[in-house]
Amino acid sequence: SQQGEEDPQALSIQEGENATMNCSYKTSINNLQWYRQNSGRGLVHLILIRSNEREKHSGRLRVTLDTSKKSSSLLITASRAADTASYFCATAARSGAGSYQLTFGKGTKLSVIP
Amino acid sequence: GAGVSQSPSNKVTEKGKDVELRCDPISGHTALYWYRQRLGQGLEFLIYFQGNSAPDKSGLPSDRFSAERTGESVSTLTIQRTQQEDSAVYLCASSLVLGGEKLFFGSGTQLSVL
Repeated sequence: SQQGEEDPQALSIQEGENATMNCSYKTSINNLQWYRQNSGRGLVHLILIRSNEREKHSGRLRVTLDTSKKSSSLLITASRAADTASYFCATAARSGAGSYQLTFGKGTKLSVIP
Repeated sequence: GAGVSQSPSNKVTEKGKDVELRCDPISGHTALYWYRQRLGQGLEFLIYFQGNSAPDKSGLPSDRFSAERTGESVSTLTIQRTQQEDSAVYLCASSLVLGGEKLFFGSGTQLSVL
């Protein structure tokens, strides 16, 4: 079942602008992660924020987490054409089998126009 | 190895045939995951291995799907009697520890069932 849902599904911006993507989820989580995927193949981990954290930065990336609203946002500042990719949020939560599962959303497709 | 390695990169098969997909995780990573990604969709969890514990098979879509892992090394995902709806990219990922931590992904196997 889908845990994380990204919004918007697609986003097109000019180079230099900021890009904001949102993720909503349904159950209690241990952490929330953002990944990037180029050309429909392997994903690359960008940033992890734990349930007791509210904001985290990494270079041009800023992630916020609001556990009361069960939502997160990823902000990419001063976007570049090379940032064009699909971005996925993934939530880590206990599965029925007792282990932690990472559940991915459907992603936001970001296009940065030079 | 330096990263997660998957083989083959691409596989074309006829409906009804069996296929075997291979994943070599990063050395020392105790957790290994398999995901399926249909075109333009998010990642669908299939199965999870953690050390010598029983695997979490809760995501396998049917009994045609099975996976094995030898200790903390190579894993194989087998799909028997393939159907056209099995066409997708199959992604393998590994992580250092249990607990929904950062995943390192392979480049995936693109499976096409004709």
